Amino acid sequence: EAQVTQNPRYLITVTGKKLTVTCSQNMNHEYMSWYRQDPGLGLRQIYYSMNVEVTDKGDVPEGYKVSRKEKRNFPLILESPSPNQTSLYFCASSLVGVGQGGTDTQYFGPGTRLTVL
Amino acid sequence: AQKITQTQPGMFVQEKEAVTLDCTYDTSDQSYGLFWYKQPSSGEMIFLIYQGSYDEQNATEGRYSLNFQKARKSANLVISASQLGDSAMYFCALTTSGTYKYIFGTGTRLKVLA
Repeated sequence: EAQVTQNPRYLITVTGKKLTVTCSQNMNHEYMSWYRQDPGLGLRQIYYSMNVEVTDKGDVPEGYKVSRKEKRNFPLILESPSPNQTSLYFCASSLVGVGQGGTDTQYFGPGTRLTVL
Repeated sequence: AQKITQTQPGMFVQEKEAVTLDCTYDTSDQSYGLFWYKQPSSGEMIFLIYQGSYDEQNATEGRYSLNFQKARKSANLVISASQLGDSAMYFCALTTSGTYKYIFGTGTRLKVLA
């Protein structure tokens, strides 16, 4: 089954304790991305990756790191989480970054609900 | 800069009626894609429909259609024959060839009434 998986699905942690949220896709997609969703703000892009070893900042990258060492995996790292990073996080992937014909349609993982105390 | 605007925070529609969810966008790029996603109360993001900037026809997917008016920079989602299961949050999104970023609107919460 074609899918994007994220782990963990729920996480409660404390300020300053490093954490990693994993993301994996089995569709051989080139483009992967992380978003955070907050009430009234919609989804905001944190980081994206055009391909292996190619990453770039989205609109809200502060406090986050990413890496893309393999095509299928795109982990999100919070080196020192703070309460303002409490949010619902989504990983997504698409065949390409931008194209025509729908090849840039993103498919989302189930989400990770993070609470930082 | 890219921008997506959804001006309707919430809407009600009677079951079996049609409803239009508004979305306007702003970009200076000529090549771009527009998307609509549905987020039910369970939280997952479900892709509904796509429209490319060079597509001459409005996109349709079953009961969903996208009313694409390029000159007005609008990409409204039309849901025909609403069902109770259509009650959800709906997001419009934009990506452009110039930035490779994706921008989402703030969403419209649709409630279908029996």
